Amino acid sequence: DIQMTQSPSSLSASVGDRVTITCRASRGIKSYLAWYRQKPGKVPEVLIYSASTLQSGVAPRFSGSGSGTDFTLTISSLQPEDVATYYCQNYDSAPYTLGAGTKVEI
Amino acid sequence: QITLKESGPTLVKPTQTLTLTCTFSGFSLSSSGVAVGWIRQPPGKALEWLALIYWDGDERYRPSLRTRLTVTKDTSTNHVVLTMTNMDPVDTGTYYCVHTTPYCGGGTCSYGVFDMWGQGTMVTVSS
Repeated sequence: DIQMTQSPSSLSASVGDRVTITCRASRGIKSYLAWYRQKPGKVPEVLIYSASTLQSGVAPRFSGSGSGTDFTLTISSLQPEDVATYYCQNYDSAPYTLGAGTKVEI
Repeated sequence: QITLKESGPTLVKPTQTLTLTCTFSGFSLSSSGVAVGWIRQPPGKALEWLALIYWDGDERYRPSLRTRLTVTKDTSTNHVVLTMTNMDPVDTGTYYCVHTTPYCGGGTCSYGVFDMWGQGTMVTVSS
């Protein structure tokens, strides 16, 4: 199985800050990387797929980059509604492994 | 509009078999390019992908749970059923039904982007 390692596991930042979350795959997955956001008590939702393509309706302050084994999710200006846990996920092939999550707080 | 909804028991005893049903609408699982899967989340912990069934009946499972999981579909009733045998307290958590289609980038496409989720159903394993 491909292991997905996220860092940090949690972070606290101020409104307006630039926030970066990293995800590393244990082997190359090309650009088959998705990012999900799970707000407290809510269902997860996909933010980004193909490592850098924004899902329809997602705010443009979110961006993704990377390919192969190293990926990044960036929030350019943190907003209060961004408080959530963020997960990266490999979809190169099954099993579709997810990272352990990064909890973002204000 | 795609919707998915999970149903099943909220409490099962250790060693029992869990059966969860996903009832979906807004798409057909007999049409090419569609798959329905299951993801779970233990309380306070991370998401874990469990299983996927494709429109053509092909199945994929989380390797560590392969011997305990079965996923089936009924395209006439728009149901997907997940069966998990020999339940243990560590299987306690919220179980989500999810939808995926091939997402493309760089000239290639792959299933596995879970773009629609059910509300989730909480399952507790306890005697």
